[in-house]
Amino acid sequence: QVQLVESGGGVVQPGRSLRLSCAVSGFIFGTYGMHWVRQAPGKGLEWVAVIWYDGSDKYYADSVKGRFTISRDNSKNTLYLQMNSLRAEDTAVYYCARGVGMVVAGDAFDIWGQGTMVTVSS
Amino acid sequence: QSVLTQPPSVSAAPGQKVTISCSGSSSKTGNNYVSWYQQLPGTAPKLLIYENNKRPSGIPDRFSGSKSGASATLGITGLQTGDEADYYCKTWDSSLSAVVFGGGTKVTVL
Repeated sequence: QVQLVESGGGVVQPGRSLRLSCAVSGFIFGTYGMHWVRQAPGKGLEWVAVIWYDGSDKYYADSVKGRFTISRDNSKNTLYLQMNSLRAEDTAVYYCARGVGMVVAGDAFDIWGQGTMVTVSS
Repeated sequence: QSVLTQPPSVSAAPGQKVTISCSGSSSKTGNNYVSWYQQLPGTAPKLLIYENNKRPSGIPDRFSGSKSGASATLGITGLQTGDEADYYCKTWDSSLSAVVFGGGTKVTVL
C-alpha cells in the first residue's frame, strides 16, 4: 500500500547536523513533488521545504533557508532532509508528505508519514 | 503568528454544525488553492479538502470546503465526538514562494 516512513530522528546538540530519510512505497515516487513539514511540541504545523518530482526545483521556509537541504533519490524511492547548524527551535516532529497538483498553485498533501522526532538539546 | 488566520477554537454539541475560517490575502488564499487537514491527537495530519472544495475518497460529505475571495471556510455538519481534533488550512504564498499553514483550530464537541 501507499506508505511514507521517516527515519533518522534523535537527540542532537545545538550546532550539529542530522539527516532525515523518508522511504516511499506503493506509488511511483519519481512523479510526485515531496514536502517536509514539522510540528514543534504543542504547536501547529510548519512547512519546511519542497522538492519537485525530478529534483529540478526546491523551496524552503525562511526559518531553515541556508541550513537545511532537501533532496531525493528517485532510484531509491527516498526523500532526504539534511539539517545543519541545528538550533533548539528546530526541535519538532518532522513529517514527509506527498504533494498532489501544482506546488505553486497550492498542491494538496494527500499522504503523510508517521513522523520522526528531532530534539536539539545540549 | 501564522500567515493564514484561523480561530484558535470552535465548539458545538453533537449533531450540530461548525465552520472554521481561514483568511489570507490575494497572494495566498486569494489566487491559490486551499486545502484542509485534520489532525487527531497523537497522529499525523490527514487531508480533508483539496482545491478549495473537493473531498478525497473516503472523506464523508459532512466535511465541506468553500472559498470566497481571500477567505476559505471548512464546514463540519453532524458533529461527532470523533471529530475532536485540530484542523489546519494550507495554501501557497506566491509572494513568499512558500507553503503556508494556518495556526490551527481546535474543534471541541460539547
